[in-house]
Amino acid sequence: AQSVTQLGSHVSVSEGALVLLRCNYSSSVPPYLFWYVQYPNQGLQLLLKYTTGATLVKGINGFEAEFKKSETSFHLTKPSAHMSDAAEYFCAVRAGNKLTFGGGTRVLVKP
Amino acid sequence: ETGVTQTPRHLVMGMTNKKSLKCEQHLGHNAMYWYKQSAKKPLELMFVYSLEERVENNSVPSRFSPECPNSSHLFLHLHTLQPEDSALYLCASSQGVGNAKNEKLFFGSGTQLSVL
Repeated sequence: AQSVTQLGSHVSVSEGALVLLRCNYSSSVPPYLFWYVQYPNQGLQLLLKYTTGATLVKGINGFEAEFKKSETSFHLTKPSAHMSDAAEYFCAVRAGNKLTFGGGTRVLVKP
Repeated sequence: ETGVTQTPRHLVMGMTNKKSLKCEQHLGHNAMYWYKQSAKKPLELMFVYSLEERVENNSVPSRFSPECPNSSHLFLHLHTLQPEDSALYLCASSQGVGNAKNEKLFFGSGTQLSVL
């Protein structure tokens, strides 16, 4: 069985500041890890994913995440927040054919 | 536009009503999913269909009844729901459900359901 924990259900950042969203997972097999973003009134969209290979993965809109096996983490970062980054972000882990989502982190960007 | 269309976008129903949610994907995918998104809870997988066969049912109450007539369409029939069933219901699709194939889900915009 696998699980995903996202620390902080809400994060507030200033425009231009670093965005850091934390995700920790547990999995009994090597995981595939994902970040999805949900803009208001829309479904989820894939932001980035880690399957194998390089542990630092880059996604759309300037986001990136680093897989750290020793810390069982897959934190999402963006160096400089933009107003359009206001959304809810979901970390997910897939082991086998089951995809498990975290509880989500809502990002508010202040001007 | 993700290629997954859900209707209606909003639905209000009484506890004795019968209604259906519809999902259609134009991506040629073989797998379709229903997820429930409630406030303050993680996304919950409800049902998975692969090639029109239900392959997963996550202990969902029988008042939710899925139907997958073909690989492009997925329905969720609702009957005698409870107020706690109010949530955003998201449909998703993927190429398949095998290990290498369902790496990416494509989601619809969801149906916001309110049960009075």
